[in-house]
Amino acid sequence: SQQGEEDPQALSIQEGENATMNCSYKTSINNLQWYRQNSGRGLVHLILIRSNEREKHSGRLRVTLDTSKKSSSLLITASRAADTASYFCATEPSGSRLTFGEGTQLTVNP
Amino acid sequence: GAVVSQHPSRVICKSGTSVKIECRSLDFQATTMFWYRQFPKQSLMLMATSNEGSKATYEQGVEKDKFLINHASLTLSTLTVTSAHPEDSSFYICSARQGATRADTQYFGPGTRLTVL
Repeated sequence: SQQGEEDPQALSIQEGENATMNCSYKTSINNLQWYRQNSGRGLVHLILIRSNEREKHSGRLRVTLDTSKKSSSLLITASRAADTASYFCATEPSGSRLTFGEGTQLTVNP
Repeated sequence: GAVVSQHPSRVICKSGTSVKIECRSLDFQATTMFWYRQFPKQSLMLMATSNEGSKATYEQGVEKDKFLINHASLTLSTLTVTSAHPEDSSFYICSARQGATRADTQYFGPGTRLTVL
């Protein structure tokens, strides 16, 4: 089964609104990462949050991590049409293999 | 951030032929490279982990004789899909990591769209 599970699977919002995506995982982790993928393209690394961190910011992105609940959230504030993409969380539960969640397809309508 | 390239970006081939995909780290030396496959509207599935100068480690269910991986230098890994069939049509993505620890970020290539007719 997937280490990371994300919800919602799809999210459609208006430009300017905030978008929140959630990720849950099963095993202990050293860090959790979020990636963005535009349709038919490779992945872009957005942010890495370590297991001893609770919150991290990068521009309009805010990531939280709750290791007690084994969950993370990605918040994109003041969304733009260009934010339309799939967003994946990823963890490394064992060895050095990065395991991806199912992803959330975000659509930001202009 | 570090740059990883893939070539070709798209390839269409006939069933039964072999296709080679290159993954290059352009501005750093990649101790480890990873190959993923992604079907439409699905997540990335790791196929194999490749360390420079040694044999690749394949994930369960991935045929090593069908998906040949070579990591001959610290900046280049190749994936060869041998005797490709329509079910091999997919989006193949590589990533490269400079170090061997979990703390090192993986940088992803732009992907290669393989279509087997």
